[in-house]
Amino acid sequence: GNSVTQMEGPVTLSEEAFLTINCTYTATGYPSLFWYVQYPGEGLQLLLKATKADDKGSNKGFEATYRKETTSFHLEKGSVQVSDSAVYFCALSVYNQGGKLIFGQGTELSVKP
Amino acid sequence: NAGVTQTPKFQVLKTGQSMTLQCAQDMNHNSMYWYRQDPGMGLRLIYYSASEGTTDKGEVPNGYNVSRLNKREFSLRLESAAPSQTSVYFCATRTSGRDEQFFGPGTRLTVL
Repeated sequence: GNSVTQMEGPVTLSEEAFLTINCTYTATGYPSLFWYVQYPGEGLQLLLKATKADDKGSNKGFEATYRKETTSFHLEKGSVQVSDSAVYFCALSVYNQGGKLIFGQGTELSVKP
Repeated sequence: NAGVTQTPKFQVLKTGQSMTLQCAQDMNHNSMYWYRQDPGMGLRLIYYSASEGTTDKGEVPNGYNVSRLNKREFSLRLESAAPSQTSVYFCATRTSGRDEQFFGPGTRLTVL
């Protein structure tokens, strides 16, 4: 079946530190991969996506590369800010399965000044 | 342009009570989804509607029913609430030909 595994949180970093949140997946077929972000008290927002192997998604300084050989889609940012404090979800969807999203468990990030 | 709206924002029920969570969108998207979010488990799909007039079960449909009233509205009903249904519920939409989903602000439900 399809599944997503993320590194456990919470992750606590100082401002300007480098961020990596690991995400690996298993999927039948060729999934699209996503990172969503949830700020406190809000719904989820799409942060970035990649639809095929070796694609790199990027947005707001965050990046993730679709690695088919390692079935991974790790999220990175070179210099985090306090405003990046949120919960980050890795997710996948498989073509022709109704667009359903399969989510990882989420990783809470806290950035201290 | 409100996007995806959900009502109510908060609700407290007693075991055995019923209620309907409402979701509406003004994005003209065909597909709509209901997820529940529980600590340490991410979001899990309850039901979805690929288009007006169709609904299908997701990963955790037991204890829930849905109605796709029209293209704009997709409601989730709990007929007899149980404490295990305490959760945050999110509605999402997707347009045909695109794979990303757009989420509402959520409904926080507590069942005592």
